[in-house]
Amino acid sequence: EVQLVESGGGLVQPGGSLRLSCSASGFTFNSFVMHWVRQAPGKGLEYVSGMSNKGGSTYYADSVKGRFTISRDTSKNTLYLQMSSLRPEDTAVYYCVKDRGYGQRCFDYWGQGTLVTVSS
Amino acid sequence: DIQMTQSPSSLSASVGDRVTITCRASQSISTYLNWYQHKPGKAPKLLIYSTSNLESGVPSRFSGSASGTDFSLTINSLQPEDFATYYCQQTYSSLYTFGQGTKLEIK
Repeated sequence: EVQLVESGGGLVQPGGSLRLSCSASGFTFNSFVMHWVRQAPGKGLEYVSGMSNKGGSTYYADSVKGRFTISRDTSKNTLYLQMSSLRPEDTAVYYCVKDRGYGQRCFDYWGQGTLVTVSS
Repeated sequence: DIQMTQSPSSLSASVGDRVTITCRASQSISTYLNWYQHKPGKAPKLLIYSTSNLESGVPSRFSGSASGTDFSLTINSLQPEDFATYYCQQTYSSLYTFGQGTKLEIK
């Protein structure tokens, strides 16, 4: 059974940093592209970042480019999102997502999300 | 970046109704269009992938179609469990943008 478990969320002051983790199990982690998606309170889903299966390619939304860094550790089956220079508008539930791959480019498994609150 | 314009933003309907939600892409995205259902406090769920392919386990009352850069999600015979927010998503470009969402409420 595929499982994605996020951790690392919490309250942080504007300008601060936080690192989210996503522990993956139930599939061959280094075979799939992985992503982060967020949902701010009362807003819709927003694509944040993605990383290719071997880590050679990364993708970032304009809203986080230069401030967030995605990475993965295949030895630990874990995806990360390092967030710095955080702003109140980064407040959201952050979801770790698995890409189905095989040319189908859709998100077939989602974690339950971790809440990040940026506030003084 | 590719923009996805989803409409309507909200919709009221009754159990048993047929509803259609649309999404327009700002440029050609081939068939790289997915639909998700999202309920409060839960993870989003994949319904339709690649425009018209029903995800395993999703009821057949859900269907997807396209005409050029216009895409549609249709739900036939609405059931109580279908009241949720629905999002389209393009995966043609490397930044997989979502539509703004459609909140489907009970009339």
